[in-house]
Amino acid sequence: DAGVIQSPRHEVTEMGQEVTLRCKPISGHDYLFWYRQTMMRGLELLIYFNNNVPIDDSGMPEDRFSAKMPNASFSTLKIQPSEPRDSAVYFCASRIGTSGTLSTDTQYFGPGTRLTVL
Amino acid sequence: RKEVEQDPGPFNVPEGATVAFNCTYSNSASQSFFWYRQDCRKEPKLLMSVYSSGNEDGRFTAQLNRASQYISLLIRDSKLSDSATYLCVVNGGRGSTLGRLYFGRGTQLTVWP
Repeated sequence: DAGVIQSPRHEVTEMGQEVTLRCKPISGHDYLFWYRQTMMRGLELLIYFNNNVPIDDSGMPEDRFSAKMPNASFSTLKIQPSEPRDSAVYFCASRIGTSGTLSTDTQYFGPGTRLTVL
Repeated sequence: RKEVEQDPGPFNVPEGATVAFNCTYSNSASQSFFWYRQDCRKEPKLLMSVYSSGNEDGRFTAQLNRASQYISLLIRDSKLSDSATYLCVVNGGRGSTLGRLYFGRGTQLTVWP
């Protein structure tokens, strides 16, 4: 069974360019999470969706960041314009069901997109 | 105050050693607790869930102390392959934060031959 799929795996771009990261959650999972990880700040939650609806976007750093989930099997995280401080590894994760139990709270991560903004 | 606090280490131990990691969490309403493992340049992966009564999975033992809001992970007979970063994770507890997990910064472990 396929896990969470992310693309691209690596992205190198120049400051000011638009970057789009893509995620396909595990089939049947109805929660999707976008995280950013850096050495300085660790793993930070940017936004998460439940049944394609954004629930909490308080972690989105600023208006340059936007995320969409047009359907249950696809989500995008867009950065426009990108800046060098956006360089990080961006992870997508998914989980199933109503929260509150160990099994349903477990999140499964994709391999990440390593973004470098020059 | 951070939701989850861990000693970042690094812990450097020889093969065969026993090592323990601890973490504390701030939300007394948290209901689910986990240890995730993250290898260098890889994604976090679930190592084990933490049950209220404590639980063991091979060489790994997890304990939860709700009164002190404290979670521990014990690794016995360390292997070279245990070298990784170990993330302490708790859920949001209730309300709008119930659906999310909070991750500690991680504790780095290196097992040497």
